[in-house]
Amino acid sequence: DIQMTQSPSTLSASVGDRVTITCRASQSISSWLAWYQQKPGKAPKLLIYKASSLESGVPSRFSGSGSGTEFTLTISSLQPDDFATYYCQQYNSWYSFGQGTNLEIK
Amino acid sequence: EVQLVESGGGLVQPGGSLRLSCAVSGFTFSSHWMHWVRRAPGKGLVWVSRINNDGSSTDYADSVKGRFTISRDNAKNALYLQMNSLRAEDTAVYYCARPGAGHYFDSWGQGTLVTVSS
Repeated sequence: DIQMTQSPSTLSASVGDRVTITCRASQSISSWLAWYQQKPGKAPKLLIYKASSLESGVPSRFSGSGSGTEFTLTISSLQPDDFATYYCQQYNSWYSFGQGTNLEIK
Repeated sequence: EVQLVESGGGLVQPGGSLRLSCAVSGFTFSSHWMHWVRRAPGKGLVWVSRINNDGSSTDYADSVKGRFTISRDNAKNALYLQMNSLRAEDTAVYYCARPGAGHYFDSWGQGTLVTVSS
């Protein structure tokens, strides 16, 4: 099984900050990685697929990069609506998610 | 607009059974594989099961294999998850999800809470 490890688990930041979340895979997954945003009581929302492709309708301040085993999600300038939990997911071999990163207001 | 609406969750005793449903609209259901994903309290997302577009092929996470059964009714635009021999560790919010062009999930329901407790 492929294990996905996100860091940090919790990130405190302010509106306007640039933030980066890292996701590491236990083995190479090429670019088969997605990022999701989830708010309490809501469905997860797809942000990025194939490591760096922005889902339609997602603001351009979100970007993804990486390949192989190391990936990042970057939010270029945090907006109030961005405070949420973020998950990475590999789909190279079956499906597994990171444990989540809780992005909170500093 | 794509919509997925789960139902059927609730409180059940260990060893009990529950059947979840997911009603879909806004897309051609019979053209898509479908999945169930769950999130236990305080934990991350975990993939549970998938079914191909005509229901002839199914797969399960090891943790639920032999206890859960995924099925679908394309005439009713509905996805199901029959859960038997439920354990405390099955307590979670269960989401139905539609895969996009790849094997990521581009549409999700709001989830239904299953609580397994005596």
